[in-house]
Amino acid sequence: EIVLTQSPATLSMSPGERATLSCRASQSVSIYLAWYQQKPGQAPRLLIYDASNRATGIPARFSGSGSGTDFTLTISSLEPEDFAVYYCLQRSNWRFGQGTRLEIK
Amino acid sequence: QVQLQQSGPGLVEPSQTLSLTCAISGDSVSSKSAAWNWIRQSPSRGLEWLGRTYYRSKWYNDYAVSVKSRLTIKPDTSKNQFSLQLNSVTPEDTAVYYCARDGSPSWYFDLWGRGTLVTVSS
Repeated sequence: EIVLTQSPATLSMSPGERATLSCRASQSVSIYLAWYQQKPGQAPRLLIYDASNRATGIPARFSGSGSGTDFTLTISSLEPEDFAVYYCLQRSNWRFGQGTRLEIK
Repeated sequence: QVQLQQSGPGLVEPSQTLSLTCAISGDSVSSKSAAWNWIRQSPSRGLEWLGRTYYRSKWYNDYAVSVKSRLTIKPDTSKNQFSLQLNSVTPEDTAVYYCARDGSPSWYFDLWGRGTLVTVSS
């Protein structure tokens, strides 16, 4: 089964900085990977699907890239509301990564 | 505007059956452009997809291997909703349970219910 490993576990950054989050698959998932944002007490929110497509209503500062086994979520300039936990998800067997917590420095 | 409204008990005794319902508004459980999922989240297991039901000229189900022997997901077309039944629960099944849609255009989980915290305890 395909396992997703996210890094780092925690990322401490300041508003206005550029954030780069990584998700690595144990075997190729082609482009079939999504990114989610989750805030406390809320359900996850779809940000990016098929590696690089922004979901409806997602700001342009969020972008995704990668294929095969290595994927990246980039937030170009952090806004205060972006501090949350981020998960990747692959479609092969609907497994999630363990998450990256993006916290305010 | 599509919405998912979850309902069900927040406390279940060990060995009993956990039952939850997800009512759909703004879409149809019989849509051929969607599938209807259950996902749970706990500190120990993270986010875990449990299974789904969907209609493509007939009804289909997919279940995660980890719960396949204990889980049933059913559509209810008369009420436009779907349900989860997880048998023989243990404290390990304590989690926040979400219903979610995957469908066009993304075919990932693009719409979620608000979540139900279910505790398995006597």
